[in-house]
Amino acid sequence: DSGVTQTPKHLITATGQRVTLRCSPRSGDLSVYWYQQSLDQGLQFLIQYYNGEERAKGNILERFSAQQFPDLHSELNLSSLELGDSALYFCASRSEGTDTQYFGPGTRLTVL
Amino acid sequence: GDSVTQMEGPVTLSEEAFLTINCTYTATGYPSLFWYVQYPGEGLQLLLKATKADDKGSNKGFEATYRKETTSFHLEKGSVQVSDSAVYFCALPRDTDKLIFGTGTRLQVFP
Repeated sequence: DSGVTQTPKHLITATGQRVTLRCSPRSGDLSVYWYQQSLDQGLQFLIQYYNGEERAKGNILERFSAQQFPDLHSELNLSSLELGDSALYFCASRSEGTDTQYFGPGTRLTVL
Repeated sequence: GDSVTQMEGPVTLSEEAFLTINCTYTATGYPSLFWYVQYPGEGLQLLLKATKADDKGSNKGFEATYRKETTSFHLEKGSVQVSDSAVYFCALPRDTDKLIFGTGTRLQVFP
């Protein structure tokens, strides 16, 4: 158990819909990262938050957005969903002074 | 740009065989290097890491040595078990420590 939690574990929805994925980092970790794992793109960095502020953006679509709340949990919002958004979405957190990221169990999103 | 290259899979072995999964990297400076493992239906778990040249990371019988001269971080295990069947990812941190991953190598171990 990494200490990073993600909900829900599975999500099935239809094209055009909007979903929210939730992540709670390890206790005390200020940095949260979101990654997407798909068959054709592999593991791709989406976005990073640090103590409530956006720190870095990767290959994140404009239809996707994220935020980190004062209690440090983070949410990834995916809107106008397309079939190609079906993937496993991981959250990771990192402690200050280290470069090691610990991953949550992921949310499997299926868009029908 | 920075990148990680892993050997193509799947790697198919019999139990107790020796395992090598190749990983090479391109990066400026000398970043830490990681191996993560993803068991079927599960998330990514940190397997081992090395923080500087000639460091050896080890865990659960797996080892990897940070080779600066060959820019490599090959994963090895002397005797694999069926329970080691998983996908293995080599990774390095860049910029604000986002991870760049290799494509992953699937290992299948048969009894």
